[in-house]
Amino acid sequence: DVKVTQSSRYLVKRTGEKVFLECVQDMDHENMFWYRQDPGLGLRLIYFSYDVKMKEKGDIPEGYSVSREKKERFSLILESASTNQTSMYLCASSSGAFDTQYFGPGTRLTVL
Amino acid sequence: QQQVKQSPQSLIVQKGGIPIINCAYENTAFDYFPWYQQFPGKGPALLIAIRPDVSEKKEGRFTISFNKSAKQFSLHIMDSQPGDSATYFCAAVADKLIFGTGTRLQVFP
Repeated sequence: DVKVTQSSRYLVKRTGEKVFLECVQDMDHENMFWYRQDPGLGLRLIYFSYDVKMKEKGDIPEGYSVSREKKERFSLILESASTNQTSMYLCASSSGAFDTQYFGPGTRLTVL
Repeated sequence: QQQVKQSPQSLIVQKGGIPIINCAYENTAFDYFPWYQQFPGKGPALLIAIRPDVSEKKEGRFTISFNKSAKQFSLHIMDSQPGDSATYFCAAVADKLIFGTGTRLQVFP
């Protein structure tokens, strides 16, 4: 079974703090994704990566950056957290670019 | 063009009922339509998927109906159970995966 793990289930940060969200997958998948999930807005793609050290902007990249130094690990970085970044963050991975995506359990981030 | 419109936003049915979730799209380049199911506290997981050359697909109690000319597709859950209570997302794939806004389904005993 594919397993995607995220470093924290719940996180509370203050405005202006730098925030790191980590994601690890154990299936040797090429592609990894970061989404945020908000009520009524569904899942919105922030960034994705199709290879180590490669990254592509998704639909809402503003205020975020990513890092993929190893194939199995994809990090989402909030350089200076703001209250409008309070959300559920979901990481996913897939073998092919358009193949089934396997999601982690999510990190609920609250920015005060 | 890249949107997938999903309705309703929430749905409440009694056990044994047949909830129906509808999705519509504009982009004719979409060629794969998966549905994801998300239980509370979990990430979404693929439930069932269809390609536009097929009008219906069944897997157990879950059925996708696809109307290519109308650019609409829907998920039906037969004999719904309380364990089906979850959020359901339709999606469409062309050059990327686009999710609908989600439907929160509650099935009461």
